[in-house]
Amino acid sequence: EVQLEESGGRVVWPGGSLRLSCTASGFTFDDYGMSWVRQAPGKGLEWVSSIDWSGGNIGYADSVKGRFTISRDNANNSLLLQMNSLRAEDTALYYCAREGSWRGFDMWGQGTMITVSS
Amino acid sequence: DIQMTQSPSSLSASVGDRVTVTCRASQSIGSYLNWYQQRPGKAPNLLIYAASSLDDGVPSRFSGSGSGTDFTLTISSLQPEDFATYYCQQSFTYSFGQGTKLEAK
Repeated sequence: EVQLEESGGRVVWPGGSLRLSCTASGFTFDDYGMSWVRQAPGKGLEWVSSIDWSGGNIGYADSVKGRFTISRDNANNSLLLQMNSLRAEDTALYYCAREGSWRGFDMWGQGTMITVSS
Repeated sequence: DIQMTQSPSSLSASVGDRVTVTCRASQSIGSYLNWYQQRPGKAPNLLIYAASSLDDGVPSRFSGSGSGTDFTLTISSLQPEDFATYYCQQSFTYSFGQGTKLEAK
């Protein structure tokens, strides 16, 4: 079955760190660019970060630049997001997504929830 | 940064209606425009990429048009399962519109 599965979400203190993982299955992972998208409770979608198939081309939203680091492990079909200096406004459901034709996100995981709170 | 603005923010319609949602980019994005549907409690689902191409398995009642800065998503005959929130997204720097919630009248 073709799927993405996120993990790593939990409650974390402001200023803390967290590492999210997304495991891909059912397709050739290193054929695709991958992205993280988040959704705060009751709010819309916000793109967070993207990485191309090789890891050589990376982008971040201004809201996370300098605090979050995206990476990938093609040998283990995994997408990672290292999140440092977490803030209350980072509280959200974090989705990983696959980039398909014309860079539309054609596959999504079910998301992992991060709550930043004291 | 490229800003994406959708209108309306919410819309009430009935089964069988023709519905149109618009999306405007703050600068030209060619045809690099995607549309997603998100049902409550579910992950988003890609409907249309490259402004007008239907993703696999998407019903033909959905269509997209536009280029440059102005785009539209049209549902030709609304079905009960279409009540959801719809987002546009540009594929240069990936920003999303704020969403359009489609509700039953």
